[in-house]
Amino acid sequence: GAGVSQSPSNKVTEKGKDVELRCDPISGHTALYWYRQSLGQGLEFLIYFQGNSAPDKSGLPSDRFSAERTGGSVSTLTIQRTQQEDSAVYLCASSRSGLAGVPYTYEQYFGPGTRLTVT
Amino acid sequence: AQRVTQPEKLLSVFKGAPVELKCNYSYSGSPELFWYVQYSRQRLQLLLRHISRESIKGFTADLNKGETSFHLKKPFAQEEDSAMYYCALSNNNAGNMLTFGGGTRLMVKP
Repeated sequence: GAGVSQSPSNKVTEKGKDVELRCDPISGHTALYWYRQSLGQGLEFLIYFQGNSAPDKSGLPSDRFSAERTGGSVSTLTIQRTQQEDSAVYLCASSRSGLAGVPYTYEQYFGPGTRLTVT
Repeated sequence: AQRVTQPEKLLSVFKGAPVELKCNYSYSGSPELFWYVQYSRQRLQLLLRHISRESIKGFTADLNKGETSFHLKKPFAQEEDSAMYYCALSNNNAGNMLTFGGGTRLMVKP
């Protein structure tokens, strides 16, 4: 079946502009994660959605970052007033479930990423 | 706070040589550990997880709670093993989000 897809694959934007990154998870996966892969910080968690519950935003680096997930499926990560330090590859992953307290972590399937360059 | 450390950014070996990619972690709960791999121009994918206790593509990894380590090993490296390897720890007290190490690039020379 289809894996996790992300769009666009590449995005170049000017400093100060807003950008939206899209993620289509695997159908039926209730958990969705955003990560960022950058030279300076490696791979870091940003935000997590589980079903219709409120998202865990504990990894967002600033209030310029936000994300939503509509209908428990597609997710959009928005970065407002982009800065050069936002340049990175933004990865989306989905899994069957991410319920807290369950002593088993389902495999996370990653998308190809969106490479964001802020000039 | 949980943390994953991979001390080697680059590991270069010859084909047929043994390889060990090191991973150490800190976590207050019961850890769930993974190795993810990213081959050139491919997406990040799961290689193996400690609870499976299985060998994937000849790789194995044993969780050592006393040393807080989860090193990845293969007795005879192949050129197709060249890739970026990430050790990851799941936060299973929250939403199972992953904390990744900095990654080790494995280069297997012919």
